[in-house]
Amino acid sequence: NFMLTQPHSVSESPGKTVTISCTRSSGSIASNYVQWYQQRPGSSPTTVIYEDNQRPSGVPDRFSGSIDSSSNSASLTISGLKTEDEADYYCQSYDSSNHAWVFGGGTKLTVL
Amino acid sequence: EVQLVESGGVVVQPGGSLRLSCAASGFTFDDYAMHWVRQAPGKGLEWVSLISWDGGSTYYADSVKGRFTISRDNSKNSLYLQMNSLRAEDTALYYCAKDYYYMDVWGKGTTVTVSS
Repeated sequence: NFMLTQPHSVSESPGKTVTISCTRSSGSIASNYVQWYQQRPGSSPTTVIYEDNQRPSGVPDRFSGSIDSSSNSASLTISGLKTEDEADYYCQSYDSSNHAWVFGGGTKLTVL
Repeated sequence: EVQLVESGGVVVQPGGSLRLSCAASGFTFDDYAMHWVRQAPGKGLEWVSLISWDGGSTYYADSVKGRFTISRDNSKNSLYLQMNSLRAEDTALYYCAKDYYYMDVWGKGTTVTVSS
């Protein structure tokens, strides 16, 4: 079993770039794809990144994902921040050892 | 339009039972596995369960194993979650989500409150 750890909150100004990390506690981050979900207040989650770095259609290219084996972490980077990006962001991966889908604790992004 | 609509959430006493439903439309339901994911008030997302496209495989989070049962009726394009021995910590908004290598479509959720 592993956990995914995210910072509780991040904040940045409109137009800037922010990166949210997601660190896997055990096993390689590259073992299973990482997804990122955006949840705006009062709304259901939507996918912004899947399979580490793929964007669903309709998600702007301001959103990008990557993984770093050296730090055993995944990252979501949002450039050209807009106020509409203010939301909670969750990373998620699959634990193949016990057939479980694991979410990180979520990061609250404030754009101010 | 691809749509998932959950229902069945109510206030129930500790130790009680409840069945949630998720009605799917706009896609070929029996082509896809389906998830239940929950979110306690003010908390993060917690995966609950997955069922394969044909119902032949099911998986559960440790927190619900032995108490919850996921099922589906492909003839009715419906997903279910039977919840038994409910506890206060099961209080949450329950979402169903379609699996396309990731959770690509989510419903709006149905609220379950476990309280005496």
